[in-house]
Amino acid sequence: GQNIDQPTEMTATEGAIVQINCTYQTSGFNGLFWYQQHAGEAPTFLSYNVLDGLEEKGRFSSFLSRSKGYSYLLLKELQMKDSASYLCAVMDSNYQLIWGAGTKLIIKP
Amino acid sequence: DVKVTQSSRYLVKRTGEKVFLECVQDMDHENMFWYRQDPGLGLRLIYFSYDVKMKEKGDIPEGYSVSREKKERFSLILESASTNQTSMYLCASTLSPDRGGETQYFGPGTRLLVL
Repeated sequence: GQNIDQPTEMTATEGAIVQINCTYQTSGFNGLFWYQQHAGEAPTFLSYNVLDGLEEKGRFSSFLSRSKGYSYLLLKELQMKDSASYLCAVMDSNYQLIWGAGTKLIIKP
Repeated sequence: DVKVTQSSRYLVKRTGEKVFLECVQDMDHENMFWYRQDPGLGLRLIYFSYDVKMKEKGDIPEGYSVSREKKERFSLILESASTNQTSMYLCASTLSPDRGGETQYFGPGTRLLVL
């Protein structure tokens, strides 16, 4: 079956760095997405990786290793507004998104 | 900016009622999706549509139906609501059906409570 695993919850301190991991097993691979979802709101797109390596976008970076079925989202210089859930999703061979359950990130002052 | 709107943010219905959830996107997207989101679970796909009058079952279609009479509008129907359909319902759209990298744009969600 298809499976996406990510930690349920993480806690970090304002100004610090946090890495959220995602491992996946899917039928085919057409890219991996990270979305941010604040409580009670819709998910919003953060990043897309289809090739191995690191993609940097301001304070956020996303890494992919297709051979390991592994990705991480790196958040630097954490701000209180980064408190949210972070969803990992993989696009399978049918171009369908398979979603992880999300990682709730709690930022403490 | 892409805008995806949903007819209600919050709904309370009684068991057995017929429930309509509507979603409208304003960017001429071909693909539209309905998901439900429950605590501790990832988004689960209920139905999707690649074109007008076209629909495909997702992972959990039981108890639901959909309608896509116009390109911009995708409706989710609960024929006879049950308490286990209490959930957050999210609508999404993307530009084209078979391309990687196309991000999904989400509506604000509808929190449905079935009593």
